[in-house]
Amino acid sequence: EAQVTQNPRYLITVTGKKLTVTCSQNMNHEYMSWYRQDPGLGLRQIYYSMNVEATDKGDVPEGYKVSRKEKRNFPLILESPSPNQTSLYFCASSQGPFSNQPQHFGDGTRLSIL
Amino acid sequence: AQSVTQPDIHITVSEGASLELRCNYSYGATPYLFWYVQSPGQGLQLLLKYFSGDTLVQGIKGFEAEFKRSQSSFNLRKPSVHWSDAAEYFCCLRGGTASKLTFGTGTRLQVTL
Repeated sequence: EAQVTQNPRYLITVTGKKLTVTCSQNMNHEYMSWYRQDPGLGLRQIYYSMNVEATDKGDVPEGYKVSRKEKRNFPLILESPSPNQTSLYFCASSQGPFSNQPQHFGDGTRLSIL
Repeated sequence: AQSVTQPDIHITVSEGASLELRCNYSYGATPYLFWYVQSPGQGLQLLLKYFSGDTLVQGIKGFEAEFKRSQSSFNLRKPSVHWSDAAEYFCCLRGGTASKLTFGTGTRLQVTL
């Protein structure tokens, strides 16, 4: 089954404790991205990757890092989480960096930073 | 700069009634437009997409949307709403460098029986 898998689905942690949210897709997609969803703000793009070893900032990259060492994986790293990063996070992938390709989304990761 | 506006934060309709969710966009070239639906605790599911050609596009679950370039709109419609349609709906524009994706703030649909 084609899917985007995020882990963990839920996480409560404390300020400053490094965490990683994993994202994996099994569709051989080139393009992957991370979004955060906040009430009243919709989804905002954090980082995206056009292909392996090619990443770039989205609209709200501050406080986040990503890496793309393999095509299928695109982890999101919070080196020193802060409470303003409490949010619902989605990973997404699509076939390529072409504008007519819809994105496939994971089920989301709800992070709470205390 | 590109942007998407969904003017209605929350809409309530009765089951069986018709539905129209509004979406307005701003983009300097031909937009690629999508509607996604998000059920509670779930990710986003693609309902339909517009790339070019016929301005009325059909999607899954009986939804359709009409692209109107003159009004910069891409409204989502359904003739008869079912209780299972209660969810949050996002309009989305893709364009620009690196296929930047911009979402609206969403419209939450409530269906009364």
